[in-house]
Amino acid sequence: EVQLVESGGGLVLPGRSLRLSCAASGFTFDDHAMHWVRQAPGKGLEWVTGISWSSDSIGYADPVKGRFTLSRDNARNVLYLEMKSLRPEDTALYYCVKDIRAQSSGLFQDWGQGTQVTVSS
Amino acid sequence: SSELTQDPAVSVALGQTVRITCQGDSLRDYYATWYQQRPGQAPVLLIYDKNSRPTGVPDRFSGSSSGNTASLTITGAQAEDEADYFCNSRDTSDHRLWVFGGGTKLTVL
Repeated sequence: EVQLVESGGGLVLPGRSLRLSCAASGFTFDDHAMHWVRQAPGKGLEWVTGISWSSDSIGYADPVKGRFTLSRDNARNVLYLEMKSLRPEDTALYYCVKDIRAQSSGLFQDWGQGTQVTVSS
Repeated sequence: SSELTQDPAVSVALGQTVRITCQGDSLRDYYATWYQQRPGQAPVLLIYDKNSRPTGVPDRFSGSSSGNTASLTITGAQAEDEADYFCNSRDTSDHRLWVFGGGTKLTVL
């Protein structure tokens, strides 16, 4: 059974940093691209960032470019999202998502339950 | 960056057919993918590569596309189909990026 378990969320002051982690199990981690998708309270889905199986292709949505850094550790089956200079508009539930393919295909096959990030003073 | 537009809300009578649409210039070049999100739950992949369904998705769900518009059709809507539906596609400005539509809330009457 595929499991994606996010951690690292919480309440943080504007301008501060957070690191999210996603522990993956139940599948061959380095056979799949991975993504983070967020959802603000009562709002729709927003793709944030995605990484290919080998980390040779990483993309960032414009609102987070230059502030967020995505990485993965295929030996440990973990996906990381380093978030800096956080803003109130980054407040959302952050989902760790497994792509159906090794290269990013936008086919989000499996989703974690999410970790809440709240940016507020 | 690309944009995808969806109607905010659609309703359908139980057992009837409903079409949910997604419009955007990127859909002229790339297929839309469809997701269902029930209240309080994570999204679920419904339709990909125009009209392919993952294992477990009922065949009453189907996808189609024409020009800049992709459609999700539910034939014989059930009460459990009441949910939010999102489309997504590749961003034409950068192939590494992905964009979601704003979502359509489906009410089954």
